[in-house]
Amino acid sequence: EPEVTQTPSHQVTQMGQEVILRCVPISNHLYFYWYRQILGQKVEFLVSFYNNEISEKSEIFDDQFSVERPDGSNFTLKIRSTKLEDSAMYFCASSDGGRADTQYFGPGTRLTVL
Amino acid sequence: EDQVTQSPEALRLQEGESSSLNCSYTVSGLRGLFWYRQDPGKGPEFLFTLYSAGEEKEKERLKATLTKKESFLHITAPKPEDSATYLCAVQPVGGSYIPTFGRGTSLIVHP
Repeated sequence: EPEVTQTPSHQVTQMGQEVILRCVPISNHLYFYWYRQILGQKVEFLVSFYNNEISEKSEIFDDQFSVERPDGSNFTLKIRSTKLEDSAMYFCASSDGGRADTQYFGPGTRLTVL
Repeated sequence: EDQVTQSPEALRLQEGESSSLNCSYTVSGLRGLFWYRQDPGKGPEFLFTLYSAGEEKEKERLKATLTKKESFLHITAPKPEDSATYLCAVQPVGGSYIPTFGRGTSLIVHP
């Protein structure tokens, strides 16, 4: 069964450093998403991506964040100048854009900022 | 503002003790309601999508139902492996297609 994969599973970084989180969406999906979940909190939307451009973004997704689809399979989230409060699980999701647009999530990357 | 409220926050059951989880929502119009299962430290695992009031879907011991204001996830004769957090998410019609998630119900099933 096709699935969304993410790497790395755990990333530890120093405050102020840049990190890149990687995702391989399900191959025939057209819509890609990043979410984050701070420990014990709700899943929060960051950004959606379609046709090689951002289609929606939340208030969380400020200039510190960027997304890219560098090739036909990968989808990345870059976080610049990381802060302590960026520590969270980051989930990639993808969907085929069908009715109600069901999103399938990856296993997540746990980001720890020290 | 779209809102999704899940109750209870936590639920402890004995193996075989059936129960229901609730997801109440307020949206101007519903495009879809999603149920996910999330194990600790893992990503949400898709369970069901419901589109309209009266709809029901089943998978093994789980059955999801939908009304105009809420959805229930019924768990029949649960097993310890059903222990997880169950998330509800609501996608509104028009405008944004981004689903709003509830805080989830943490279910523990004791053997």
